[in-house]
Amino acid sequence: QVQLVESGGGLVKPGGSLRLSCAASGFTFSDYYMSWIRQAPGKGLEWVSYISSGGSTINYADSVKGRFTISRDNSKNTLYLQMNSLTDDDTAVYYCARGRGTSCLDYWGQGTLVSVSS
Amino acid sequence: DIVMTQSPDSLAVSLGERATINCKSSQSVLYKSNNKKYLAWYQQKAGQPPKLLIYWASTRESGVPDRFSGSGSGTDFTLTISSLQAEDVAVYYCQQYYSTAVTFGQGTKVEIK
Repeated sequence: QVQLVESGGGLVKPGGSLRLSCAASGFTFSDYYMSWIRQAPGKGLEWVSYISSGGSTINYADSVKGRFTISRDNSKNTLYLQMNSLTDDDTAVYYCARGRGTSCLDYWGQGTLVSVSS
Repeated sequence: DIVMTQSPDSLAVSLGERATINCKSSQSVLYKSNNKKYLAWYQQKAGQPPKLLIYWASTRESGVPDRFSGSGSGTDFTLTISSLQAEDVAVYYCQQYYSTAVTFGQGTKVEIK
């Protein structure tokens, strides 16, 4: 069965950095687009970034462009999100999700909490 | 970016009754070359990640009960739960994937009356 397990969240000070990982199993990881979506406490869903199956196509939300970098290692079945220059507004649960191309997101991980606070 | 606006923000429906959630996009998400509507619906129960219910505006995901249905045009969409069950209590989100900048609606909370 498809499993996505995020890790790497935690408490970080404003201006700091964090690297999230998403370990995938139960499907051929290299065949699928992957995305990061976040959800601030008590708020709705915000798409952050996606990366194509081979890594050649990448897009970011304007709110994170220039600060966050998405990447993947298909040999390790792992998706990453490098987050730099973090602010309070980046506090959220970060989900990784499998995409059907650039369309809908059919499997989601349980999420990892990132808290940005001094 | 395409703005997705859901209505209402919350609704309370009696068990067995119909629940209707609306989603309006700020521009059409109908791709004319393939006549597909680039819209999905998700259900998020408390403490859980979202779950895909509907894609291409009206195609039910495998395993989703047939009481869930989606419909709509290029800018106005509806998710209908034909007979609300207790396990349907959740927040529901629409999402457009027409634009490379994917956007979600703000969510609609469904409760039991």
